[in-house]
Amino acid sequence: GAGVSQSPSNKVTEKGKDVELRCDPISGHTALYWYRQSLGQGLEFLIYFQGNSAPDKSGLPSDRFSAERTGGSVSTLTIQRTQQEDSAVYLCASSPPYTGGATYGYTFGSGTRLTVV
Amino acid sequence: GDSVTQMEGPVTLSEEAFLTINCTYTATGYPSLFWYVQYPGEGLQLLLKATKADDKGSNKGFEATYRKETTSFHLEKGSVQVSDSAVYFCALPGVSGGYNKLIFGAGTRLAVHP
Repeated sequence: GAGVSQSPSNKVTEKGKDVELRCDPISGHTALYWYRQSLGQGLEFLIYFQGNSAPDKSGLPSDRFSAERTGGSVSTLTIQRTQQEDSAVYLCASSPPYTGGATYGYTFGSGTRLTVV
Repeated sequence: GDSVTQMEGPVTLSEEAFLTINCTYTATGYPSLFWYVQYPGEGLQLLLKATKADDKGSNKGFEATYRKETTSFHLEKGSVQVSDSAVYFCALPGVSGGYNKLIFGAGTRLAVHP
C-alpha cells in the first residue's frame, strides 16, 4: 500500500480482556517495528521484525505481550489480560530492507489508541 | 549505550518567531540522524534527515545540521507558523541488536500562537 495502515484506530476494552492490534506495512518493506507511546510520554520500542529472521522482542514489557508477522507482511500485536497501564497509542512502522531504516528512516502508521477501562 | 537528549518542552512561541530545538546524541560511529514530527492526533512523520557529518537536512522551512564535533543535531526554523504546533522527536538508529532500531528523544512539544 501507499502507507502503513493500522487498525483499529481506537480501541476501548475492559480490564482483563485480550486485544489484537493490526499493522499492514508498506509493500516491499521487510522491516516492521512496534512502538508504544503513553500519554505525554516518548516512544518505547516493543518489537522488531526483519524478513524471516527471528524477531527482536527485547522491548516487550511482559509476557502478556506478543506479536507475529504472517507471510512477511501483516503483523498483529496481541495483549492478553489487559491492564490499565497498557493504555497508550501503539505505533507501527516499516522500513526498507537491511540498513534502509538507518539510512532513510521509518514510515509510521497513524497508530491505535488503546484505552483499558 | 546510544542515546538522544532533547530540550524539554513545551516551547511556546508567537507566529513568525525563530525556533531552535536542541538535540544532542551519544552514539557508536556516525549514524544517520533524524527529526520526526507528530501533529495532534496523528502518527509520526519523517521531517528531515542527515546521513553524515556536516550534512544539512531541510524540509518545510526546517533545517538541522549534523555536527560531529558537538554531537548535535539542533532543529531550527526562521519563522514558525501556527500549523507547526506539534511534538518534535530527534532520533538515531541504535547499535543494540543492529542498526535497525531507532532510538528517540523524549520529544519537545511546540505551541505556536497567532
